[in-house]
Amino acid sequence: DAGVTQSPTHLIKTRGQQVTLRCSPKSGHDTVSWYQQALGQGPQFIFQYYEEEERQRGNFPDRFSGHQFPNYSSELNVNALLLGDSALYLCASSLDLASTGELFFGEGSRLTVL
Amino acid sequence: GQQVMQIPQYQHVQEGEDFTTYCNSSTTLSNIQWYKQRPGGHPVFLIQLVKSGEVKKQKRLTFQFGEAKKNSSLHITATQTTDVGTYFCAGPPQSNYQLIWGAGTKLIIKP
Repeated sequence: DAGVTQSPTHLIKTRGQQVTLRCSPKSGHDTVSWYQQALGQGPQFIFQYYEEEERQRGNFPDRFSGHQFPNYSSELNVNALLLGDSALYLCASSLDLASTGELFFGEGSRLTVL
Repeated sequence: GQQVMQIPQYQHVQEGEDFTTYCNSSTTLSNIQWYKQRPGGHPVFLIQLVKSGEVKKQKRLTFQFGEAKKNSSLHITATQTTDVGTYFCAGPPQSNYQLIWGAGTKLIIKP
């Protein structure tokens, strides 16, 4: 049973560029949440997707957008990258029935913006 | 805004000593969850507490949820090297899907 998988694991971009990160949830899970974790900090909620819709959004600008596909996988897009966007981006999946319950995290995508 | 304060930021202990981390939320939470993140790794779920005043144990780990559902603690008895990592508390404010996370407490075993 595959857990949550994310790609790419590491990437380097320059300011102003755009990036797309991908996530496949744990088998049987229908809800995907994205988090940003800066070094030495706790994860910060970006948004949550359920039934291909953004269900809730954290305090992130519109440069951060996402998508959920019919197979429940998800993408996170960040436009006009800033140096401050450098962080570990974590995808977490869960079951909608337990939408505020246990999260299963992927290994993350570490983004460096130069 | 809603926030969860977690203290201490770091705790250095000798192997075999106890470790405790505390969380305090600015708002009432539906539940409190605890995660462990090893260096270079991702958060891994430890436990969820839902009821006011709830206490749960997992071997050497004891978790508590406050009566007002705004604070929580994790206590580890007789730490081992395998306990090294950062422990995070997180909880959803009521009627909210997102988890608000504490900044974590890093457990360091002194050589």
